[in-house]
Amino acid sequence: KNEVEQSPQNLTAQEGEFITINCSYSVGISALHWLQQHPGGGIVSLFMLSSGKKKHGRLIATINIQEKHSSLHITASHPRDSAVYICAVDSGGGADGLTFGKGTHLIIQP
Amino acid sequence: KAGVTQTPRYLIKTRGQQVTLSCSPISGHRSVSWYQQTPGQGLQFLFEYFSETQRNKGNFPGRFSGRQFSNSRSEMNVSTLELGDSALYLCASSPQPRSGTNTGELFFGEGSRLTVL
Repeated sequence: KNEVEQSPQNLTAQEGEFITINCSYSVGISALHWLQQHPGGGIVSLFMLSSGKKKHGRLIATINIQEKHSSLHITASHPRDSAVYICAVDSGGGADGLTFGKGTHLIIQP
Repeated sequence: KAGVTQTPRYLIKTRGQQVTLSCSPISGHRSVSWYQQTPGQGLQFLFEYFSETQRNKGNFPGRFSGRQFSNSRSEMNVSTLELGDSALYLCASSPQPRSGTNTGELFFGEGSRLTVL
């Protein structure tokens, strides 16, 4: 069973700051997902990674398969980025489904 | 293109009752997966369906069951409800099932929030 650890659990920053959220896992995976959840519950998929780096607007996600580690970066953070960010790993069609981290609660203050 | 639709959005049940939740995936998506989210346990995988077949099931008791119809819509059922079943139940759809290195992007619904009294 994959163990997924996210850090930090909570993060408060000022508007404009560069944000980094980390995710580590214990067993090799086929893909890693970064998800965003706003109050009210709906989840949006931000990235799905199996190697390297992806960028969407101000968001950047990287993954190091050898080190079993991924990071989500937010550049020029904005109050609308305030949300819970969740890392989820997929062991590749196995019975475990997705295994989720506990999430990082991010607050960006104006 | 319409997103993933979950119904009902909110419901209240009492212990011992049963509940059925529905999920309509994005048109053309044949894979549906279900998740439970609680404050204590976070998000946990419940089931995955593809082409009316359950491909995987998470570590949940037999009271939790589901199915998928020929139009890809899916339902999950929880029987003999317990207080601990109070949670946000989320479903996600994907164009293809999870298999080996072919893991599709997931599109989530808004969830069904179940309260058990």
